[in-house]
Amino acid sequence: DAGVIQSPRHEVTEMGQEVTLRCKPISGHNSLFWYRQTMMRGLELLIYFNNNVPIDDSGMPEDRFSAKMPNASFSTLKIQPSEPRDSAVYFCASSPTSGRWETQYFGPGTRLLVL
Amino acid sequence: AQTVTQSQPEMSVQEAETVTLSCTYDTSENNYYLFWYKQPPSRQMILVIRQEAYKQQNATENRFSVNFQKAAKSFSLKISDSQLGDTAMYFCAFTFLFQGAQKLVFGQGTRLTINP
Repeated sequence: DAGVIQSPRHEVTEMGQEVTLRCKPISGHNSLFWYRQTMMRGLELLIYFNNNVPIDDSGMPEDRFSAKMPNASFSTLKIQPSEPRDSAVYFCASSPTSGRWETQYFGPGTRLLVL
Repeated sequence: AQTVTQSQPEMSVQEAETVTLSCTYDTSENNYYLFWYKQPPSRQMILVIRQEAYKQQNATENRFSVNFQKAAKSFSLKISDSQLGDTAMYFCAFTFLFQGAQKLVFGQGTRLTINP
């Protein structure tokens, strides 16, 4: 069974450019999470979807960040315009609604570098 | 406050030794789950072990086991017969439901190095 899939795995861009990160959750998982990991702040939850609906977006830094989940198998995190302080590893994770609802499975992450 | 504290920023042991990583947490929730995640140099976050707070029996997964002390809010990870591939950052975490939303709280991590 495929795990959480993220693309791209690495992204290098220049300040001011738009960046789009993509995530495909594990099939059958109804909850999807976007995290950001930096040395200074550790792992931070950015946004959490349940059944494609945003439940908690209190961690989204500012208006430059937006996330969508148009269907159960795809989500995007967009940064526009990007800034050097957005450089981080961005993780997508998913968990099932029933059974082990509490267990989140992480994707491999996207390393973003904004120059 | 919902917090996780990992008091050992770094640890280093020889291959085949047993090592214990400590973790304490603070929560007012009664229903929660505890985890250890491993993050090797590839940066992938890998679930190592899971513990249900309402179960007294300590979870085990092959060479990995936990010592869960609910009253003390302690959740340590023991790695037996350590291997070079165990070198990684280890994060302790717990999750609970708050107003219908899942919350996952992470510690700052312990960097574990297994030396040959």
